[in-house]
Amino acid sequence: GAVVSQHPSWVICKSGTSVKIECRSLDFQATTMFWYRQFPKQSLMLMATSNEGSKATYEQGVEKDKFLINHASLTLSTLTVTSAHPEDSSFYICSANLGTGTSGRVGKNIQYFGAGTRLSVL
Amino acid sequence: QKEVEQDPGPLSVPEGAIVSLNCTYSNSAFQYFMWYRQYSRKGPELLMYTYSSGNKEDGRFTAQVDKSSKYISLFIRDSQPSDSATYLCAMSAPTGANSKLTFGKGITLSVRP
Repeated sequence: GAVVSQHPSWVICKSGTSVKIECRSLDFQATTMFWYRQFPKQSLMLMATSNEGSKATYEQGVEKDKFLINHASLTLSTLTVTSAHPEDSSFYICSANLGTGTSGRVGKNIQYFGAGTRLSVL
Repeated sequence: QKEVEQDPGPLSVPEGAIVSLNCTYSNSAFQYFMWYRQYSRKGPELLMYTYSSGNKEDGRFTAQVDKSSKYISLFIRDSQPSDSATYLCAMSAPTGANSKLTFGKGITLSVRP
């Protein structure tokens, strides 16, 4: 299967600081990656779609200035939580779309997920 | 009506039981159907995916898609305590790279030793 690496797995930061989370597709290229947020005992909530070489598309209600997304290469997308506050504490998960790179996987609209990042803002 | 409905459970079964998990959907454009397993504090892990209708088997897992009824199922045979997790169904339409997944709410399965 395709592998998506997410780092860090857990981060604790002080209120007002910024935190960067990285998402890498290790064995495939992905022009499209996705960022989710998950609250305890709830399903995943899509925050934004990250497109390589262009601006991210944010879901309604997600502050683009708060959650900065950069997709600078076909294997890396980053999410920066700026000026984090305790209400930003959550589980953040990225995914990469298998069917958007080269090789024979084009068209397979299947997402593989990273292991997630637990953010705790004090 | 929500696009994807999944029984929220929770579900508890004895070890060795056959588990049946189901989702229904309303969007006829969905063509990719996936089942993810998520352990506590981990990202979802892709278990099975099916394109369009049909069955797919992988070890103890069988995925079924009935597009005429807009109904998908995941069967787990000889369930093990290690299968205890939350199971999410997800689906998407083949509209290109930006296609979003639509998830069910997930069902938490507990397999008792």
